[in-house]
Amino acid sequence: IQLVQSGAEVKKPGSSVRVSCKASGGTFITSTFTWVRQAPGQGPEWMGKVVPILNITHYAQKFQGRLTVSADRSTNTAYMELSSLRSEDTAIYYCATMNSESYYGTGYFDYWGQGTLVTVSS
Amino acid sequence: DIVMTQSPDSLAVSLGERATITCKSSQTVLYSSKNKNYLAWYQQKPRQPPNLLISWASTRESGVPDRFSGSGSGTDFTLTISSLQAEDVAVYYCQQYYTTPPTFGQGTRLEIK
Repeated sequence: IQLVQSGAEVKKPGSSVRVSCKASGGTFITSTFTWVRQAPGQGPEWMGKVVPILNITHYAQKFQGRLTVSADRSTNTAYMELSSLRSEDTAIYYCATMNSESYYGTGYFDYWGQGTLVTVSS
Repeated sequence: DIVMTQSPDSLAVSLGERATITCKSSQTVLYSSKNKNYLAWYQQKPRQPPNLLISWASTRESGVPDRFSGSGSGTDFTLTISSLQAEDVAVYYCQQYYTTPPTFGQGTRLEIK
């Protein structure tokens, strides 16, 4: 599976950002797409996931209410939208496929996009 | 959330020597009835995404050199590079997937001495 993400974004505090992740080479509908971000000098942080075959999403509590992840089966593209941006959201955002024993559980991340830098600055 | 703590934060090893990184979880990631440890290791080089090296604590991914090995169970895990090569310079992360949310360690930076 190859994951290609959209380009870098610069956003104002309070605005929203949408990042796309186009998948090829695998079976989109049966994959689990997750979003992981990495702030400068920090470890990765899981944000949420979408399972296209079940049309279900699951979010980390930290991002509840601000994060929307979705998947478009017609274009094999996953999306992440984060609203009410603040400076602390400046990070590289990765999409990754999750390998898990159950669509409802968690797993490890086997394929990654190249990352999208989102900078939040006034 | 399960907290993953790695040590050391940084490590310098001579070429050809052994490098050892440890990872400790705040609670067990061993599913006893399945006898599986829900622990993965990643390598991240500058300006690249993390790359999966090992899953299930000790199962190397396809294409990963056999100088990389993982061990441990329960709450204490180790990533060992048996003979350090120049291309192994990177930051290494452990990650638990025993429970949601999946969580990562803070990373260990590996350099050449």
